[in-house]
Amino acid sequence: EAGVAQSPRYKIIEKRQSVAFWCNPISGHATLYWYQQILGQGPKLLIQFQNNGVVDDSQLPKDRFSAERLKGVDSTLKIQPAKLEDSAVYLCASSGVAVQGSPLHFGNGTRLTVT
Amino acid sequence: AQKVTQAQTEISVVEKEDVTLDCVYETRDTTYYLFWYKQPPSGELVFLIRRNSFDEQNEISGRYSWNFQKSTSSFNFTITASQVVDSAVYFCALSGGSGTYKYIFGTGTRLKVLA
Repeated sequence: EAGVAQSPRYKIIEKRQSVAFWCNPISGHATLYWYQQILGQGPKLLIQFQNNGVVDDSQLPKDRFSAERLKGVDSTLKIQPAKLEDSAVYLCASSGVAVQGSPLHFGNGTRLTVT
Repeated sequence: AQKVTQAQTEISVVEKEDVTLDCVYETRDTTYYLFWYKQPPSGELVFLIRRNSFDEQNEISGRYSWNFQKSTSSFNFTITASQVVDSAVYFCALSGGSGTYKYIFGTGTRLKVLA
């Protein structure tokens, strides 16, 4: 089966600019996650979708970050305006069923550098 | 609150040595799952193993083995006869709490296996 697809692979922007990341989960996977991974740290959950509904966005900086998952398939994460501290790898993951303990399948991530 | 601690930031071993990666977790949930993921230089997190809180049996898969001890809230990972290809960052993760299926990751342990 095809894995989780993310694009772009790399992005460099200046602070105060906007940026968008795209994720296409494994076909049929209902749950989709966006994680932020700052260099040297573990992934931090930004937002979790179940189909096209938000399950958890408690750690999403809503003044600048937004995410949507229209039609319950692919998803877009946007940052506007970007700050220097947003430099990180943004990981998308999906799981097949909303059952506790389902392993996550990750994409390769988008490495964002804000200058 | 849930927490995962990986106290070892970086470990270097010589090829063929055995190495153990430590993971200590905190949770008030009675039902929870523990995971190990591998992140090679390519960046994609790869699922290695899952254990649930009711199954304390140790597991062996080839050169990999896992030791789950509820009494010490630990879920340690041992690689026997390490190889250069084992070089990566390894993350321990915890999933618990009804409803949201949130994953909490540790900060990771970077393993360097030297030839």
